[in-house]
Amino acid sequence: GDSVTQMEGPVTLSEEAFLTINCTYTATGYPSLFWYVQYPGEGLQLLLKATKADDKGSNKGFEATYRKETTSFHLEKGSVQVSDSAVYFCALSGTSYGKLTFGQGTILTVHP
Amino acid sequence: GAVVSQHPSWVICKSGTSVKIECRSLDFQATTMFWYRQFPKQSLMLMATSNEGSKATYEQGVEKDKFLINHASLTLSTLTVTSAHPEDSSFYICSGRAGGGGDTQYFGPGTRLTVL
Repeated sequence: GDSVTQMEGPVTLSEEAFLTINCTYTATGYPSLFWYVQYPGEGLQLLLKATKADDKGSNKGFEATYRKETTSFHLEKGSVQVSDSAVYFCALSGTSYGKLTFGQGTILTVHP
Repeated sequence: GAVVSQHPSWVICKSGTSVKIECRSLDFQATTMFWYRQFPKQSLMLMATSNEGSKATYEQGVEKDKFLINHASLTLSTLTVTSAHPEDSSFYICSGRAGGGGDTQYFGPGTRLTVL
């Protein structure tokens, strides 16, 4: 079945550091890929998505490129801020009715 | 756009009572709604998928008689936790997916349930 594997956290960075959170997936067919962010005590917010190979999703300075050859969708940001501290979830949707499979989540803490 | 609300945001109840959680899509019609459960510092576990006007499809291991899901309209789904026990305490999150073949889910803010 479908699965998503994220790099284990927690990740702790200083403000303005470069961020990479790795995500790889296993799926049949051509899934859509997502990054969601969850701030403390809140639900999930869609951060970015990509629906086909070589697509790049981007939002709020975050980027991720759909790499079919490596089955990856790594999240990057060039300069993180304290306000980026949250839990980040990689997910895929591989079926027609949109069921999401989530990775285990990566806790990011950014210090001033 | 694509806002989903949940009510209540938190609830405390006594063991043995039932609790209803509402999930509403405010600015789109959610032909499919999903209910998730999230344990502390863990990922989301899909409990069930519901389509408007149809019975919900439950994931393996989720008791359908304990977690009653109703998707009566294109903007409202409810989850009722019946005869709640302390082990049902969790963060419950719903999401909605619009029709038209899109696969993006929009999530509600979640409901914290504490059963005493």
